[in-house]
Amino acid sequence: NAGVTQTPKFRVLKTGQSMTLLCAQDMNHEYMYWYRQDPGMGLRLIHYSVGEGTTAKGEVPDGYNVSRLKKQNFLLGLESAAPSQTSVYFCASVSPGLNTEAFFGQGTRLTVV
Amino acid sequence: EDKVVQSPLSLVVHEGDTVTLNCSYEVTNFRSLLWYKQEKKAPTFLFMLTSSGIEKKSGRLSSILDKKELFSILNITATQTGDSAIYLCAVIPRGSTLGRLYFGRGTQLTVWP
Repeated sequence: NAGVTQTPKFRVLKTGQSMTLLCAQDMNHEYMYWYRQDPGMGLRLIHYSVGEGTTAKGEVPDGYNVSRLKKQNFLLGLESAAPSQTSVYFCASVSPGLNTEAFFGQGTRLTVV
Repeated sequence: EDKVVQSPLSLVVHEGDTVTLNCSYEVTNFRSLLWYKQEKKAPTFLFMLTSSGIEKKSGRLSSILDKKELFSILNITATQTGDSAIYLCAVIPRGSTLGRLYFGRGTQLTVWP
């Protein structure tokens, strides 16, 4: 089982550039999340989605946009990257109807120079 | 205001010591509380707790939930250097209108040989 797959795994951007991170899950999960993780800060929620076509802001949404056009995919966009967005990004998914844990992708290490 | 608070934020012990990590939460009506271990990559699942007073155990690790007092603990006995990691606690709310998956900031555990 592939589970949750994030692409790319690494990326270096110049300030002002744009990019999209892709999260794909094959478990038919309704809920999907994008987190960023910085040293000493734990996992901070950027945006999340409770179903296809729906998105909502998390704790730190500024500078990011998301889309959930298909149930299995959750895209995170940076329109104009800033050095403050240098971080490790994790995608996660969970099914509220099943008694299972949240599943994580392997992470994307993004550096903005 | 943090919904999930972990303590201590960091802990340094020697091999063979026993440690107790704490997780308190403010989320009511939740489906489950999760513990994860994070080394250099994505968090890996340890335990899922849904009922008070029932201990979950896996080798040297164990965890228990107290729904009345709204906290959980993770115990690690006879610690080893391989236990060095960030330990994360998370709460999954119940209900389709609640999509948030709340994480604590984690406890950084360092085990010295």
